[in-house]
Formats: sequence, C-alpha cells, structure tokens
Amino acid sequence: KQEVTQIPAALSVPEGENLVLNCSFTDSAIYNLQWFRQDPGKGLTSLLLIQSSQREQTSGRLNASLDKSSGRSTLYIAASQPGDSATYLCAVPSFNNNDMRFGAGTRLTVKP
Amino acid sequence: DVKVTQSSRYLVKRTGEKVFLECVQDMDHENMFWYRQDPGLGLRLIYFSYDVKMKEKGDIPEGYSVSREKKERFSLILESASTNQTSMYLCASSLRALGGEQYFGPGTRLTVT
Repeated sequence: KQEVTQIPAALSVPEGENLVLNCSFTDSAIYNLQWFRQDPGKGLTSLLLIQSSQREQTSGRLNASLDKSSGRSTLYIAASQPGDSATYLCAVPSFNNNDMRFGAGTRLTVKP
Repeated sequence: DVKVTQSSRYLVKRTGEKVFLECVQDMDHENMFWYRQDPGLGLRLIYFSYDVKMKEKGDIPEGYSVSREKKERFSLILESASTNQTSMYLCASSLRALGGEQYFGPGTRLTVT
C-alpha cells in the first residue's frame, strides 16, 4: 500500500527566504505526483503536477522535482512571501491509479 | 478553469439525521471523489466514482453511501449522522482514470451535535 510522508510537519521562515518542502513515497511505480496548497478551512488548490516521465515542473516561484527511483519529490519556493503561508500537501496515485494518496502536509509560516 | 462546487460551506446537523452533501463539477470529468479530512489523520478517501451509476469504496466507507445519477454530480449521504462524522468533507474530480490531476471543491465543514 502506497504511503506518503512529508517532512517537516511545520516550517517557519522569514520573508524572502528560499525553502524546500519534502515528500517521500514508498511505491515508486507512480503515474504522477501532485502538489497542493490548502489555506485554513478551505479546499485544496492544485499547484503542480509532475508526470512520471518528468524530472521537474515550474510555475512562477515554485519548482517541483521528482525522483521516482528514490521515491522522493521536493517543492522549492523561491523568495517566500507572507501570502505563501499555508499547508502544502503532496499526493500520488494509489496502486490502482483511481485515487490519490496524500501526505499529512507541511504547515508553512512566512513571517514578515 | 475547472470548477468544483459543494452545496454548503458549513453544515450543522443532529445525531441520527440523514445528511446529503452535494458536489458538482463543470468540466465533464469522468472521475469524482469524496474525502474527509481530520486533524492528524490527513485526507482519507470515502468513495469514488469513475462513471455514472458506478462507485467504489475507498478507505473508510462505513456509515456513508453515494449517488451518481448524472456525470456532473456526486452526492455523499450520511444515512444516520453520528458525532464521529464531524469533519471537513472535500469533493474532487479528475478527467483521466489513470492518475488524472485532481481538482477540489471548497469543502464542507460538517458538525454533528
């Protein structure tokens, strides 16, 4: 059964700092990996989707990488801003690829 | 842009009531999902549907049922609400069956008293 782990559980940084969030998964036979952002009390917003054939994907200040062989993905946020404060979750399709397995998330706080 | 809407943002129900949570997507997606999210437990899949009138149990289907009569609408039903079903309920949809990108609704915060 696919298990997804995110480290750290919480992270606090000063504004302007570059940071990396980590995601690991136990079954490397994934179809893709998706990163989400969740604001308190809200739904999930898709940030980036990396296909299994890709090594990285970029959107603005966000860059996600994928290393299937080691079962790891990272989300790099450049020049962090207070508006980036949220919980970030990664997810991968389960063995039957019909649903997603989610990590517990990393709660990010960017201090002004 | 894909839009997934949920019928209520906040809902308060009494124990034993029948509760309906509605989810609608506007992008002709084949797959729809219901999750619940609890502190410390993350997102857990309740049910998903890969076609009209088709459904599959997820990790925690007990106490829930679903209905998909039309492609755009996926309903979650709590037959007899209990306090341990107090949670955030999230609906999602995806185009492809094989690891398609999931799009989420805003969530329904359900409180059962």
